[in-house]
Amino acid sequence: DGGITQSPKYLFRKEGQNVTLSCEQNLNHDAMYWYRQDPGQGLRLIYYSQIVNDFQKGDIAEGYSVSREKKESFPLTVTSAQKNPTAFYLCASSIGWFPNTGELFFGEGSRLTVL
Amino acid sequence: RKEVEQDPGPFNVPEGATVAFNCTYSNSASQSFFWYRQDCRKEPKLLMSVYSSGNEDGRFTAQLNRASQYISLLIRDSKLSDSATYLCVVIPAPGGGNKLTFGTGTQLKVEL
Repeated sequence: DGGITQSPKYLFRKEGQNVTLSCEQNLNHDAMYWYRQDPGQGLRLIYYSQIVNDFQKGDIAEGYSVSREKKESFPLTVTSAQKNPTAFYLCASSIGWFPNTGELFFGEGSRLTVL
Repeated sequence: RKEVEQDPGPFNVPEGATVAFNCTYSNSASQSFFWYRQDCRKEPKLLMSVYSSGNEDGRFTAQLNRASQYISLLIRDSKLSDSATYLCVVIPAPGGGNKLTFGTGTQLKVEL
């Protein structure tokens, strides 16, 4: 079955440590995205990538970094510079970049808790 | 004012009831609208698009009111399985790169 796989599902880290969240898709989608979801807030865009080796900052990129070396993979690193890293992180992909259909395919998410 | 606003709920309704909730958007030039469904601690999934003429899919009806700048979602004959959070999603005016803007969601609880 095609889909998006995020790992790990749950992650606990100490303050000051960098963590990398994995996102892999086998949908052959060009565009991939990282969102963050916090209680009482809508999904907020961290980074997005239209094609391999290219990515752009979203609305809240500070303290995060990404890479897009392969079409299938779009890992997100939460660095120690991110002030409030505890959140639910969602990776998504789409056929084209922010399609007019509005359809993004999401992974099951990674729940990061920084102690 | 937030770009997209929703009543967080929860809306508690008995099984079989009809329930409706709205979502307001601030940019009158917004071009496209959608409803996503998100189950507890799961990922969001596209439920339906919202067209100017309205859109019906089984028990679900979505409508757009451009004059008052809101979209609505009506669920008829509610099922227990409809319990979820419903996210309103807007594509802002041209020039914003088609970036989707998500509302905070309205929580629906359908009870026996």
